[in-house]
Amino acid sequence: QQQVKQSPQSLIVQKGGISIINCAYENTAFDYFPWYQQFPGKGPALLIAIRPDVSEKKEGRFTISFNKSAKQFSLHIMDSQPGDSATYFCAASMAAGNKLTFGGGTRVLVKP
Amino acid sequence: DTAVSQTPKYLVTQMGNDKSIKCEQNLGHDTMYWYKQDSKKFLKIMFSYNNKELIINETVPNRFSPKSPDKAHLNLHINSLELGDSAVYFCASSRGAAGARTEAFFGQGTRLTVV
Repeated sequence: QQQVKQSPQSLIVQKGGISIINCAYENTAFDYFPWYQQFPGKGPALLIAIRPDVSEKKEGRFTISFNKSAKQFSLHIMDSQPGDSATYFCAASMAAGNKLTFGGGTRVLVKP
Repeated sequence: DTAVSQTPKYLVTQMGNDKSIKCEQNLGHDTMYWYKQDSKKFLKIMFSYNNKELIINETVPNRFSPKSPDKAHLNLHINSLELGDSAVYFCASSRGAAGARTEAFFGQGTRLTVV
C-alpha cells in the first residue's frame, strides 16, 4: 500500500516550459512534505519542503503548492532548463516517525 | 569533504555470499538511515538509527543487519545474498531526534548486483 502516490511517472518538457508533478497522501499525520531531486548515479538531494500550515512555498524557479483538505501537493518547475533533467521524488514524514515515505518518482526530461 | 560517504560504490557478488556496506557522516547528525532503491527507482526505508539505537526496522529480512558503532557510522551487513537483493542502497543522515522532519543528506549510493 503506497502511502504517497506520485504522478506522472515521466515528463518531457521544452526548455522554458513548466513542469508539474503531483502527489497525494493518505496519512493525515504527515506534517512535513519535502521534494528531492536525484541525478543519475547520485543520491537524492533536498530541493524544497513545505509544512501544512502554508499553502505555497517558492524558492527560485521551484514552487510547492499544498492543499491540505485534498491531501495533495505539487511541484512546479518554472522556466525549465536542461539542467533540471532528473528524477524528482515527493516525500512525507511525521513527528512521530523517523523516516521519509517517498512517492514513486517522476523522471523529468527538459529538451533544449 | 563528502558529508555522507558510502563504500563501496559498486558491489557485484554471487548468490549466497555475505557482504557489507559502510557509511560515515561528518555532519554531526544524530539520525542515520538505510534506504533501498529498486530497479523502478522506488525508494523505501529499511532502517533508522538515532544515537546508535535502532528506531525503525521496516520489515526487512533478518539477513540484513545494520550496525552503528558510533553516531557517525552506520554499516549494513547482508548475509546469504539473493538475486532480489540487487538494488541501490543509500545511507542518509539528518539532525535531531525527529530527524525525518529536517533535511536528510544522502550518500552517493551502493549499487549491489547479485549474480
